[in-house]
Amino acid sequence: ETGVTQSPTHLIKTRGQQVTLRCSSQSGHNTVSWYQQALGQGPQFIFQYYREEENGRGNFPPRFSGLQFPNYSSELNVNALELDDSALYLCASRGQGISYGYTFGSGTRLTVV
Amino acid sequence: KNEVEQSPQNLTAQEGEFITINCSYSVGISALHWLQQHPGGGIVSLFMLSSGKKKHGRLIATINIQEKHSSLHITASHPRDSAVYICAVDETSGSRLTFGEGTQLTVNP
Repeated sequence: ETGVTQSPTHLIKTRGQQVTLRCSSQSGHNTVSWYQQALGQGPQFIFQYYREEENGRGNFPPRFSGLQFPNYSSELNVNALELDDSALYLCASRGQGISYGYTFGSGTRLTVV
Repeated sequence: KNEVEQSPQNLTAQEGEFITINCSYSVGISALHWLQQHPGGGIVSLFMLSSGKKKHGRLIATINIQEKHSSLHITASHPRDSAVYICAVDETSGSRLTFGEGTQLTVNP
């Protein structure tokens, strides 16, 4: 049973650029969610995908977008990067049904300069 | 006011001490999660609770649905328990996980 893998682990981008972060979900998990964690704070929910459809979204602007693929892996895209987008981005997967817990990846540390 | 509140924010203990971290929430939930985050950033799921009490090794988690309160206890604490402990809830209103701000635990030898 594989865990959740995120890539890259670290990334430095310039303000205004675009970035794509990737997440492979745990085997058998069909739901993937993304979170932004600023330094010293708890994670904030960005959005969730279930079977390739977005089924929940947090208070993030449209320049944060995502995709889920048929193998349930996922991407988070951020356009027009701002300095405040610097954070740890976490991905988590879970199986079908509320009785399943979450498996988290190790995160991607994004720095916008 | 955050929907999920944790206390304390920071906790320093001596090895062997009994530790309690508290979590209160103000929304309807289907489950509550206790998570552990180490300095590298990765998060490990410790417990998922919808009622009662769960125990795993030296860790115990309890939840009181009527009072909207949960506690995480660590018995015989050890320096390797040093980490950030985060409470998170599955809200019944939507497909999302809402997190507390975390409790930074430091256990000194």
